[in-house]
Amino acid sequence: NAGVTQTPKFQVLKTGQSMTLQCAQDMNHNSMYWYRQDPGMGLRLIYYSASEGTTDKGEVPNGYNVSRLNKREFSLRLESAAPSQTSVYFCASSVTGGSPLHFGNGTRLTVT
Amino acid sequence: SQQGEEDPQALSIQEGENATMNCSYKTSINNLQWYRQNSGRGLVHLILIRSNEREKHSGRLRVTLDTSKKSSSLLITASRAADTASYFCATVSVTGTASKLTFGTGTRLQVTL
Repeated sequence: NAGVTQTPKFQVLKTGQSMTLQCAQDMNHNSMYWYRQDPGMGLRLIYYSASEGTTDKGEVPNGYNVSRLNKREFSLRLESAAPSQTSVYFCASSVTGGSPLHFGNGTRLTVT
Repeated sequence: SQQGEEDPQALSIQEGENATMNCSYKTSINNLQWYRQNSGRGLVHLILIRSNEREKHSGRLRVTLDTSKKSSSLLITASRAADTASYFCATVSVTGTASKLTFGTGTRLQVTL
């Protein structure tokens, strides 16, 4: 029972570098999400995909792009990393919008 | 912007005591959910309460919802050291066909032996 799998677990980037965070779920969920978690800020939604083939901006989308590759996979790309993007990134999925979320264990990203 | 605001921000109790966390929100909701996060891990869903429900139980958890006051509380009875974690409320609002789930900033619970 893998649930939601995120890779990598840790990453250090230099300012201006790019990278893609990978997320896959094996629960046949329709909706997938990317959140970032910063101290004292709770979780903030970056992008979400209500269903395969659709993506929408969340609360803090600037500096990020996403791809819903298929029903299982939802990737988050940082084209030109900035120190302000230092955070813990969580991918989540749910059966539909509004139903309980299942989270991965996060990617801890540091941008120097 | 944060929809839910938890209170208190931090709570320290002894094992066996009850822990109560509160969540206030600003707009109409479809449902409200509570999550737990252990250090270094992802969030785990605990319980969901719909806007037409007033109270819900799951094991040692009791959740109440007062839509007139736009507030919810999570009670953990007979707490254990393993309950040490951060707890988040999340509100779900539905507009047309779109659902929006927004998290609060969380309550850090420390349960000591």
